[in-house]
Amino acid sequence: DAGITQSPRHKVTETGTPVTLRCHQTENHRYMYWYRQDPGHGLRLIHYSYGVKDTDKGEVSDGYSVSRSKTEDFLLTLESATSSQTSVYFCAISQESYNEQFFGPGTRLTVL
Amino acid sequence: EDKVVQSPLSLVVHEGDTVTLNCSYEVTNFRSLLWYKQEKKAPTFLFMLTSSGIEKKSGRLSSILDKKELFSILNITATQTGDSAVYLCAQRTQGGSEKLVFGKGTKLTVNP
Repeated sequence: DAGITQSPRHKVTETGTPVTLRCHQTENHRYMYWYRQDPGHGLRLIHYSYGVKDTDKGEVSDGYSVSRSKTEDFLLTLESATSSQTSVYFCAISQESYNEQFFGPGTRLTVL
Repeated sequence: EDKVVQSPLSLVVHEGDTVTLNCSYEVTNFRSLLWYKQEKKAPTFLFMLTSSGIEKKSGRLSSILDKKELFSILNITATQTGDSAVYLCAQRTQGGSEKLVFGKGTKLTVNP
């Protein structure tokens, strides 16, 4: 398995609270991605990064921000969580944008 | 309108059967098509297809791309209960940064 970890693996929080999810890789891959997976929608891209401090928006970026201060870490922040952000969040990495992506184990987030 | 459409949405077969899963995609800026297997955890990479008519094979799984008709198929022969999973396909398009757009998946159940 690619060296990708996500933390926390499970989180329950209340509406309006800030939440930060962490993705950590040991593969030194350039690209990192955050997806959410919901029934009926499949995997949808939230944000991605193509290098340290280089990030861009994906398909469903509203309500989310990201930061990448080191190659190995990519953080996803929900500034003020809402119930619609209850989901399973996956981080993925790829060596270059045209390579296959490898996924982390996921974080199940519940916003009450 | 969905850009990547998978069919069927679900399929139930008996061990030993052969199955064919379908994925159709948009032609716009096509670069490659990827298949993933997702059990009750993170998606795992199966194949990446870029050239039409060239079959990729791994054990009992194989996949082929038809760029003229804009679809790909994933074949699984002599199915086993361990093949039970959701199979995802994703289209990668060319652009400033190449991102994946996923279909909703086909849920395969293999009964003993």
